[in-house]
Amino acid sequence: AQSVAQPEDQVNVAEGNPLTVKCTYSVSGNPYLFWYVQYPNRGLQFLLKYITGDNLVKGSYGFEAEFNKSQTSFHLKKPSALVSDSALYFCALRMDSNYQLIWGAGTKLIIKP
Amino acid sequence: DTAVSQTPKYLVTQMGNDKSIKCEQNLGHDTMYWYKQDSKKFLKIMFSYNNKELIINETVPNRFSPKSPDKAHLNLHINSLELGDSAVYFCASSQGGRGTDTQYFGPGTRLTVL
Repeated sequence: AQSVAQPEDQVNVAEGNPLTVKCTYSVSGNPYLFWYVQYPNRGLQFLLKYITGDNLVKGSYGFEAEFNKSQTSFHLKKPSALVSDSALYFCALRMDSNYQLIWGAGTKLIIKP
Repeated sequence: DTAVSQTPKYLVTQMGNDKSIKCEQNLGHDTMYWYKQDSKKFLKIMFSYNNKELIINETVPNRFSPKSPDKAHLNLHINSLELGDSAVYFCASSQGGRGTDTQYFGPGTRLTVL
């Protein structure tokens, strides 16, 4: 069965520090991996995705994510956090054989000034 | 030029009522989706249509009925609303059903059943 895990319910980071939001997955085959962000009372916004090729993917708002096949991870990173990055972040995966996105439970990111 | 729009944004209603939520996308996408986000923020796929054909129909009470009059619209009708239906409902669309296709989300409809 396919699954996505976001092991941290909440991540706290001081403004200006690097941030990492973790995502691991379990799948048989090669997944396509996505990150979305949800600001309070808003819809989900697409940040970035890994399809194939370079393991480091760059996305919106200065975010990037690294695909690590051996560790089955796709952690979201940013070199210098902003207070405005505070939001709920979702990792998701999809397979060619399935119309569905498989979602993680979400990680609340809090950036403190 | 909103890509995926939903109406209404908020919906407050009594138990037992019937209500509809409308979704429209102007991205020219072939596939549309309905998701439910509960109070713990879990996202659950409910339905998906590809070119007006139902392709995903998860374990959802049959009080929920999607309708896609054309590729750009996917509406959700809910009969006999229950307290447990209170949630945020998101519409989304993607170019197609391929694994690489990005889903783009609407702003959500917050449904409160009293």
